Order: sequence, then structure tokens, then C-alpha cells
Amino acid sequence: KNEVEQSPQNLTAQEGEFITINCSYSVGISALHWLQQHPGGGIVSLFMLSSGKKKHGRLIATINIQEKHSSLHITASHPRDSAVYICAVPRTYSGGGADGLTFGKGTHLIIQP
Amino acid sequence: DAGITQSPRHKVTETGTPVTLRCHQTENHRYMYWYRQDPGHGLRLIHYSYGVKDTDKGEVSDGYSVSRSKTEDFLLTLESATSSQTSVYFCAIRGGLDYEQYFGPGTRLTVT
Repeated sequence: KNEVEQSPQNLTAQEGEFITINCSYSVGISALHWLQQHPGGGIVSLFMLSSGKKKHGRLIATINIQEKHSSLHITASHPRDSAVYICAVPRTYSGGGADGLTFGKGTHLIIQP
Repeated sequence: DAGITQSPRHKVTETGTPVTLRCHQTENHRYMYWYRQDPGHGLRLIHYSYGVKDTDKGEVSDGYSVSRSKTEDFLLTLESATSSQTSVYFCAIRGGLDYEQYFGPGTRLTVT
């Protein structure tokens, strides 16, 4: 069973700062997911990546398969980026995600104006 | 949003009563999931389905059962609700070109 650790648990930053959220997992995976959840809101998939780097607007996700580590970066952070960011990996390696995901506990990000 | 709806969106029920939550999808996805989200635990898998009448347990399945008689509907039943089942329940599907998971809006269940 895969274990997922995220850091930091809580992060408060000023508008415009560069943000980094880290995720480590214990077992080899086929792909890793980054999700976003606004307060009281639903869960949105930001990225799914299996190697290298992906970029979407001001969000960048990287993964190092050998080190079992991924990072989510936010450039030029804005108060609307305030949310919980959740890392997730396939529950089992053989399942590849078809048998569900295992999630980190999330990083609660607050961007102050 | 991958066409996923959940009903009800909010429910308050008493200990010992049965409760059924419904997840409905409109895009014919094969895989569907029920997760619960709790402070300090994050999201955890309850049950999942890989087709009509094909279901399997997740990591926190005790006290829950599921059914999938049609591709579009995945039902989660609490046979006899307990206070420990107070939670927010999310349904998800696996789809898209990269087999991402897309989540429904959630159901907030309170067991008193």
C-alpha cells in the first residue's frame, strides 16, 4: 500500500510570492495527481504526471520518479490561489489508479493580499 | 466537471437509521469510486466499481455497502449509520485521455 506525505501542512504567504508544496510517496507509481480544493468547495484535478514537468498557467508540477518525490509550484501567487492542495497516487502499483487513489492529508495555503 | 452529480448534497440522520447516497454520471465511465473526507485523515477510499455489478472494497469499507445496477449510477449505503460515519462523501470517476479522476460536488452527512 502506498503512503503519501505532504509538506508543509499549512502555509501562509504574501501575494506575489513563489510557493512550493512537496509530496513524497513510498511505492513506485505510474502517475501522480495534484488536486485543489477551495474552502467548502469541490475537488478539482490540476495535474496528472508520470515524469518530468507540467505547466498550466502559473502552476508548475514536477516529479522525480527515482526519488519518489513531486513538487507543486505556484508563481506570482494571488489570494485566489488560497485553497487546500492535495497530492494523490495510485493505491496499488499494479492497479495503476483503477483501484483508487491514496491521498496526502493536504497543504492548506493562504495567500494574503 | 465530467457530468457527475451527487444526491443528496446535505443530510442529517439519526444513529441506527439506513442511509443511501447516490452518484450519477452522464458520460458512461467504467470506473467509479466513493471516498470520504475527514479532518486529520484526508480522503480515503470506501468502495469502487469497475463495471455494472462489479465492485470491490477500499481501505475503509466496514459499515458500508455499494451497488451498481446501471453504468451511470453508483449507490453507497450505510446500513445502520453511526456517528463515526459523519463525514463528507465524494464520488469520483476515472476518465479522460490520461485516466484522471474527476470528483462530484460531495455530500455532507451528519449522523446525530
